[in-house]
Amino acid sequence: RKEVEQDPGPFNVPEGATVAFNCTYSNSASQSFFWYRQDCRKEPKLLMSVYSSGNEDGRFTAQLNRASQYISLLIRDSKLSDSATYLCVVTSTGTASKLTFGTGTRLQVTL
Amino acid sequence: GAVVSQHPSWVICKSGTSVKIECRSLDFQATTMFWYRQFPKQSLMLMATSNEGSKATYEQGVEKDKFLINHASLTLSTLTVTSAHPEDSSFYICSAFDREGINPAGELFFGEGSRLTVL
Repeated sequence: RKEVEQDPGPFNVPEGATVAFNCTYSNSASQSFFWYRQDCRKEPKLLMSVYSSGNEDGRFTAQLNRASQYISLLIRDSKLSDSATYLCVVTSTGTASKLTFGTGTRLQVTL
Repeated sequence: GAVVSQHPSWVICKSGTSVKIECRSLDFQATTMFWYRQFPKQSLMLMATSNEGSKATYEQGVEKDKFLINHASLTLSTLTVTSAHPEDSSFYICSAFDREGINPAGELFFGEGSRLTVL
């Protein structure tokens, strides 16, 4: 079993739709969780950290479920510019010095 | 914000040659940098952790004699792919953790990546 698992997609959604991604992790000792965005042939960029209480940043909402060992990302009112690969990232140390990446979920927003 | 610069962005070389990739933290000091490799449609795989002033820590399965890492200063780490072969063709990305940044959880910044093609 992979340490971090994501549905690779692609998720094809129309502009304005709401879309949700899930990510599961196998290490119950994992401490820090992030969503990164990666555009084609570009480096990953931090989208948001994921906290136990859940957090929201504009159209993006991240949730953490420690009991079931998964995190989620919800994107509301999808824009064309949201098209990218979304990487689930998990660390097993408090210093967040070693990150484990999921394979990413590809999102394609269409007109 | 913090910036990590990577050079070169693209490199094409002949099989058997060595290629050096540089990773610089431009406005912060990075005692630790990380080197990843990403094959098409796959996740980033950590190759090694580069520690300033000491030897790098390699992940299982990564040949330390083939992927030489040097971290001679607080702002520069280099990865040298020695005797490159076509199977080494990949997207290599470095990153550094800015522990002094405004994000309380810390943030890992990535270089722009280096796409290596070995003919």
